[in-house]
Amino acid sequence: EIQLVESGGAFINPGGSLGLSCSTSGFTFTDAWMSWVRQAPGKGLEWIGRVKSKPDGGTIDYAAPVKGRFTISRDDSTNTLFLQLDNLKTEDTAMYYCTTVVTANSAWFSHWGQGTLVTVSS
Amino acid sequence: QSVLTQPPSASGAPGQRVTISCSGTTSNLENNFVYWYQQFPGTTPKLLLHKNGQRPSGVPDRFSGSQSGTSASLAISGLRSEDESTYYCASWDDGLRGVVFGGGTKLTVL
Repeated sequence: EIQLVESGGAFINPGGSLGLSCSTSGFTFTDAWMSWVRQAPGKGLEWIGRVKSKPDGGTIDYAAPVKGRFTISRDDSTNTLFLQLDNLKTEDTAMYYCTTVVTANSAWFSHWGQGTLVTVSS
Repeated sequence: QSVLTQPPSASGAPGQRVTISCSGTTSNLENNFVYWYQQFPGTTPKLLLHKNGQRPSGVPDRFSGSQSGTSASLAISGLRSEDESTYYCASWDDGLRGVVFGGGTKLTVL
């Protein structure tokens, strides 16, 4: 069974930094493309970015609103996906989900974690 | 303002057929597949339809999708109370080099 478990969400002040993790199991993480998607309270879904598998180049793409502030990385030795959030703003308050990406350059997110909540407030 | 445009709400009586539209541009829906997600309050989004309107295992055949040009739609036939949820469309955008979502449509079963 494929499982994605996010962790690291917290209450943090504007301008602060936070690291999120997504522990995975049940599939070959090394070959998987992965994404982060967030959802502000009461709002819709927003794509943050994705990382290709290392065999496919390991390239990382980001959505414009987070580029330069957020960093996606992966550790294939521990089957873990990471999201580093820097210079946080109140509008970054959201539930953050990690997802598997089935095919290149698509919105095909077959599996989702349960999410981890980040609250940015003074 | 979402890149893909969905009506904020839709409704139908039990047993009826309801459609939810998703409007995009030449950068996204015209050349990339649309994907549909279902989300109940307080829960994780779930993949409902993937490329070419195919259903993942476990999704009833009451759910179907179509896509043409810069538009797509989700149809739910034989509406049931448990279909009351929020539905999102999503696609890759070649210009933005990323995934774009619709704003979501909240479906009410009357």
